[in-house]
Amino acid sequence: EAGVAQSPRYKIIEKRQSVAFWCNPISGHATLYWYQQILGQGPKLLIQFQNNGVVDDSQLPKDRFSAERLKGVDSTLKIQPAKLEDSAVYLCASTPGAGQNYGYTFGSGTRLTVV
Amino acid sequence: RKEVEQDPGPFNVPEGATVAFNCTYSNGASQSFFWYRQDCRKEPKLLMSVYSSGNEDGRFTAQLNRASQYISLLIRDSKLSDSATYLCVVNIYNNDMRFGAGTRLTVKP
Repeated sequence: EAGVAQSPRYKIIEKRQSVAFWCNPISGHATLYWYQQILGQGPKLLIQFQNNGVVDDSQLPKDRFSAERLKGVDSTLKIQPAKLEDSAVYLCASTPGAGQNYGYTFGSGTRLTVV
Repeated sequence: RKEVEQDPGPFNVPEGATVAFNCTYSNGASQSFFWYRQDCRKEPKLLMSVYSSGNEDGRFTAQLNRASQYISLLIRDSKLSDSATYLCVVNIYNNDMRFGAGTRLTVKP
């Protein structure tokens, strides 16, 4: 089965610029997650979708971050404007549903550097 | 108190050694638990789930102590290929996973 696809793999932008990341989950997976992983830290949940609805976005900095999953399949995460502290790896994951015992499958991530 | 706390590491052990990592969590209502492995500049990958009765997968053994709110991972007969960062993961509710900061393991010849 194909894994979680993410693009781009790397992105370097200047502060105050905008950037967008794309994720395509495993086929048939209803639940999609975006995580931010800063160097030396564990991944932190930004937003969780169930189909095309938001389940949890409590840790998403909504003044600059936005995400959508319009047709319940692929998703985009946008940062506008970027700050230096947004430098991190942005990981997308998916699971079949929102049950208690699913382990995540992560994509390869997008490594963002803000200069 | 952090939601998920792990041994800070790094752990540097010789091949063949046995090494154990501990992890504590703050939410007593957490339902499920996992260990993930993350290689340098790669995404985390599921290593194993952690069951209440404890479980084993080859050289890896995971234990859960709900009363004390900690989980552990034991690696026996360490291999060079076990060198990685090990992330403790706690499912708070409805697949909202909280990750620890990770413990770095280096296995040396």
